[in-house]
Amino acid sequence: QQQVKQSPQSLIVQKGGIPIINCAYENTAFDYFPWYQQFPGKGPALLIAIRPDVSEKKEGRFTISFNKSAKQFSLHIMDSQPGDSATYFCAAFYNQGGKLIFGQGTELSVKP
Amino acid sequence: DTEVTQTPKHLVMGMTNKKSLKCEQHMGHRAMYWYKQKAKKPPELMFVYSYEKLSINESVPSRFSPECPNSSLLNLHLHALQPEDSALYLCASSQDGGLARETQYFGPGTRLLVL
Repeated sequence: QQQVKQSPQSLIVQKGGIPIINCAYENTAFDYFPWYQQFPGKGPALLIAIRPDVSEKKEGRFTISFNKSAKQFSLHIMDSQPGDSATYFCAAFYNQGGKLIFGQGTELSVKP
Repeated sequence: DTEVTQTPKHLVMGMTNKKSLKCEQHMGHRAMYWYKQKAKKPPELMFVYSYEKLSINESVPSRFSPECPNSSLLNLHLHALQPEDSALYLCASSQDGGLARETQYFGPGTRLLVL
């Protein structure tokens, strides 16, 4: 199964809150899991990425948690700001095909 | 510098027109990609070029014709498009070989409207 399932579809939090976006996959051949941030009218920008041999990775206010046995990973945004309002895509890299498989996206709105 | 540039930013074309989208990167990347993105959907892979050769075509209709003139440039030639082809067309690039394709850098996209 070359799908990545992402939830929720949309998310509204107050400034300072911690939005959490979840993704799940089936294919154990996936070996790299990036998150992309996309603002309206812009291309996706690589935010943070993790490999399955690591359970957590933190870069600034962004943290990925990875559960290999459950085949799930999630993005946490600490101390969220209105400027974080964007669409977030999780993805999985399928090395055998050389392709990125994207989740369906989460539209995040951070209210002031 | 991790910049991928795309021109034009916006394009409106009729169904009988021929137009081209352009993409450029100067990061020394040897893999380049075209993606199509509809509103509120994820990018969908169309084509992959590896060392200026087409390596992946995701069964894209022949009205889309990619071209990679050199290692820095990628074109997408458009002919006889349909209104449902209206979308944001994204170019991306990455290193190539082994796991290098996993880190892809996207351009800002060309917003295409087909009338």
